[in-house]
Amino acid sequence: EIVLTQSPGTLSLSPGDRASLSCRASQSVANSFLGWYQQKPGQAPRLLIYGTSHRATGIPDRFSGSGSGTDFTLTISRLEPEDFAVYYCQQYDSSPRMYTFGQGTKVEIK
Amino acid sequence: QVRLVQSGAEVKKPGASVSISCKASGYIFTSYYFHWVRQAPGQGPEWMAKINPSGGSVTFAQKFQGRLTVTSDTSTNTIYMELTSLTSDDTAVYYCARDFPTRGSWFDPWGQGTLVSVSS
Repeated sequence: EIVLTQSPGTLSLSPGDRASLSCRASQSVANSFLGWYQQKPGQAPRLLIYGTSHRATGIPDRFSGSGSGTDFTLTISRLEPEDFAVYYCQQYDSSPRMYTFGQGTKVEIK
Repeated sequence: QVRLVQSGAEVKKPGASVSISCKASGYIFTSYYFHWVRQAPGQGPEWMAKINPSGGSVTFAQKFQGRLTVTSDTSTNTIYMELTSLTSDDTAVYYCARDFPTRGSWFDPWGQGTLVSVSS
């Protein structure tokens, strides 16, 4: 089973700042099957990025994903007030059909 | 639009079972797989199972094999999960999510979640 480790645990930034969130896998993620979700308090997670770098429907272009192999990054180019939330990475391993999540990075207002 | 509506919160005693439903609307029910995902307090999400609503085949996370049942009802566009032999470690918010099968397999959209509390 692939283990995903996210860092940092908490990121304290101001609106307008650039945020870089890291997700490291314990082994190579095949086919770049790595995605990112945003979760606000009391809400379900929302898909932001799939296939490493593809934005889901309706996701603003200030969100971008990159990476390969075992190292992946979610970048928020300029933080808006609504972006302060917890972010999770998730990988899909097609053989076996397994899904794992990271433990999350909280982006909080500095 | 696509909508997933789950049943309400549950309080259970250790050793009991819990059943949760997830009703889908806004698209052709049998066109996409569904997942069950849970999230314990303060933790990241944890994938539990995936079901093909057309035919009912299920893939389980090994951790839940033997204790989790997942079914679908195409007449009501609803999927169900039942988790047995509950312990306090099963206290979590349980989500259904539709599969998004593009460049991999993802969870989009999600239901609103069902809180399950297990306590004696």
